Amino acid sequence: SAVISQKPSRDICQRGTSLTIQCQVDSQVTMMFWYRQQPGQSLTLIATANQGSEATYESGFVIDKFPISRPNLTFSTLTVSNMSPEDSSIYLCSVERVDEQFFGPGTRLTVL
Amino acid sequence: SQQGEEDPQALSIQEGENATMNCSYKTSINNLQWYRQNSGRGLVHLILIRSNEREKHSGRLRVTLDTSKKSSSLLITASRAADTASYFCATDPGAQKLVFGQGTRLTINP
Repeated sequence: SAVISQKPSRDICQRGTSLTIQCQVDSQVTMMFWYRQQPGQSLTLIATANQGSEATYESGFVIDKFPISRPNLTFSTLTVSNMSPEDSSIYLCSVERVDEQFFGPGTRLTVL
Repeated sequence: SQQGEEDPQALSIQEGENATMNCSYKTSINNLQWYRQNSGRGLVHLILIRSNEREKHSGRLRVTLDTSKKSSSLLITASRAADTASYFCATDPGAQKLVFGQGTRLTINP
């Protein structure tokens, strides 16, 4: 398995502001993934983050809104920019180990 | 769009009974994974079944995969109150990107 931590665990933010979410893994991984889970919904992949290259975004997600950093093989950040109430969700990072994908505890974001 | 569809959307049973959840998907896959989520928290990985496997067991969990029907089932035997959670299937069609089903909300009544 993998030990993954996220910070913050939850936050309440005002519209128009930005929040950066951190994801730390217990050992080096090539790819890290960021997912969004809107209230009462399932998970949707936002982007894949590789160390040393730009993140690859899924349809419907853009870098200006969700910039991602991947400075090393154990750490990544996701920023939710210029937030609106529609961004209220749980944001989760994940990594893969031997085909199995493991998730962090999530960051619960509420935008007022 | 979501590839997986789960059935039922909600399931309520008595403690000790068995719970069965189903997942269908649309395209070919490398593997299928099942997760549990308690009260909107992080996902707990339950089991992975590869496309060349038909059945897998882990403790009280039994997963089947029928690639010809593009479907999978998760059986939880002898359910406990602690099994109350949402259960998601996720398929890996390639490139390590998981596509999640809508989930089944399972409630175990004491």
